Formats: sequence, C-alpha cells, structure tokens
Amino acid sequence: DGGITQSPKYLFRKEGQNVTLSCEQNLNHDAMYWYRQDPGQGLRLIYYSQIVNDFQKGDIAEGYSVSREKKESFPLTVTSAQKNPTAFYLCASSTIEFNQPQHFGDGTRLSIL
Amino acid sequence: AQSVTQLGSHVSVSEGALVLLRCNYSSSVPPYLFWYVQYPNQGLQLLLKYTTGATLVKGINGFEAEFKKSETSFHLTKPSAHMSDAAEYFCAVSKGIQGAQKLVFGQGTRLTINP
Repeated sequence: DGGITQSPKYLFRKEGQNVTLSCEQNLNHDAMYWYRQDPGQGLRLIYYSQIVNDFQKGDIAEGYSVSREKKESFPLTVTSAQKNPTAFYLCASSTIEFNQPQHFGDGTRLSIL
Repeated sequence: AQSVTQLGSHVSVSEGALVLLRCNYSSSVPPYLFWYVQYPNQGLQLLLKYTTGATLVKGINGFEAEFKKSETSFHLTKPSAHMSDAAEYFCAVSKGIQGAQKLVFGQGTRLTINP
C-alpha cells in the first residue's frame, strides 16, 4: 500500500543537540510538507517542497532545516537553535495538480530530556 | 491572508445525537476548504473537501459539510454520532492553486461521544 512513513515515532533530544526526523513517501507525490502540532494551536507549516532540490520556508522555519535530494524523501532537522522543540511533527505530501488534498504520515513526537 | 476559526475547542455529544462542528474562514480569494480528522497519536485523515460546484459536500464515515459563502462558513455535520467518531477535527483552507499548497489550519475541535 502507498503511504507516508515517518520515523522514529518517538524521539528524545538533549539540550544543544541536533536531531533529524525522517519522512519517506511512495505515493509518487511531487510536493512534501512539514508541520508542527502543539496542543490547542492546530498545525503550523515549517517547510515545504514542490520539487527535488528546492524548498521554501513556511510560517515557523526558524530553528529548522530540510533537504530534498530525492523525490521520496524530505527529512527535517531540528537544530539547537530551536528553543522549544517539544511537539508533534507531521509530514505530508500531495500532487501538484489543481487543489489536491495532502496526505499525512503518523507523526513523530519529539521531547527534550 | 487566509485564516480559519473553529468555534469550540471541545464538543461533547451523546451517541446517536447530531454532531455539529463549526468552522469559519477568511480568504481574499475563492477558498478551497477541507476537513481532516485525527485520532490519538496519528496523522490527519481527509474527511471531505470543497473546491467548486455543489456546496453540500459528502465525505467519509457519514460526515458532510456545507459551504456558505455569505456566512463564510464550512460547518461539519453528522446526523447520528458513533463512539468511533471521538477524535480531533481540523478545518483548513487553501488558495486552491496548482502546485504545493500552503494549508492554513484551525485550532482543532476535540469531539467526545458520551454513551
């Protein structure tokens, strides 16, 4: 079955440490997205990518970085510059055809030790 | 700029009762609207979407929503609640353009079903 795989499901970070969250999709979608979810705040867009080797900042990109070297993969790095990284992170993908919905992975929950 | 407001962060209904989750949007261009559902510790699943055409949209699991331009609303309803409907629901709006779309989400409404 096609879908989006996020790993790990739970991740712990020490102060001053960078961590990378994995997102892989086999839906053959061109566009991929990263969202952060905090209780009571809905989802906020961190980064998105429409094509390999190209990506744009979303609304809350500070303290995060991404890469898009392959169509199937869009890893997110949470850097030490992100002062409040504890959250639920969701990856999504979509086609770039007119008004197609985004499909979501099951998320990674990041906590600070 | 686009925005979404979901009225009520928590809604509680009895099993078999009507479910009504409210969503109002703001958009400078014709909006494209979505409802997603999220079960605990999972990602979001699309319930239904409005693009153009018929303003009453039917989705999965017996849910439907009606686009009302005059009221800038896209409320989600289900005639008879089931225990399995307990989840968090998100309304979202996009500009409906081709390419990668920046979805703007509401804050979410947690639905509780009482037996």
